[in-house]
Amino acid sequence: GENVEQHPSTLSVQEGDSAVIKCTYSDSASNYFPWYKQELGKRPQLIIDIRSNVGEKKDQRIAVTLNKTAKHFSLHITETQPEDSAVYFCAARRIDNYGQNFVFGPGTRLSVLP
Amino acid sequence: DSGVTQTPKHLITATGQRVTLRCSPRSGDLSVYWYQQSLDQGLQFLIQYYNGEERAKGNILERFSAQQFPDLHSELNLSSLELGDSALYFCASSVGLAGEGEQFFGPGTRLTVL
Repeated sequence: GENVEQHPSTLSVQEGDSAVIKCTYSDSASNYFPWYKQELGKRPQLIIDIRSNVGEKKDQRIAVTLNKTAKHFSLHITETQPEDSAVYFCAARRIDNYGQNFVFGPGTRLSVLP
Repeated sequence: DSGVTQTPKHLITATGQRVTLRCSPRSGDLSVYWYQQSLDQGLQFLIQYYNGEERAKGNILERFSAQQFPDLHSELNLSSLELGDSALYFCASSVGLAGEGEQFFGPGTRLTVL
């Protein structure tokens, strides 16, 4: 089955700096890769996603890149702000005859220091 | 607010007991997913239902079961509870079986087993 690894597990950056979180997946059939942000005690919220036919996607200060050959994708946050502090999860989705199966990475705890 | 509702918000029970968690998906969403998130852990996919039918199974224990009703709400039943079952249980919904990728998460049910 699919296995998603995520690094680093914790990341501290100074406000205004960039943050990069990397994920790798194992199943070449995975074709959709969302990123979720989860603040303490709250629900995960989708912040950006990318499909396998796209190499890069950007939304304001957030961007995601996908390398299908290497089976890895990354989240880039520029000009970080204290409110970016949260746990970030990557996920890989595979579709089979029965439905869609999401596998999440273990998460990265991002701390943005003022 | 994602439009996905979950009840109860908190649940405290004893080992060996059985509980039922309830989820109502967003209006129009046919797929429901259940996830378990233990303390400081990632999201573990448990099971997916689409329009009343089980469609995908993840790391769901035999002591756990779920169903989706004709009105599309879903229930997750946890029996013979153990201390290790204490976790945050999230429900998520999406429009389709596989074509629509984005999942919307509910606020979660925090289960504490004493």
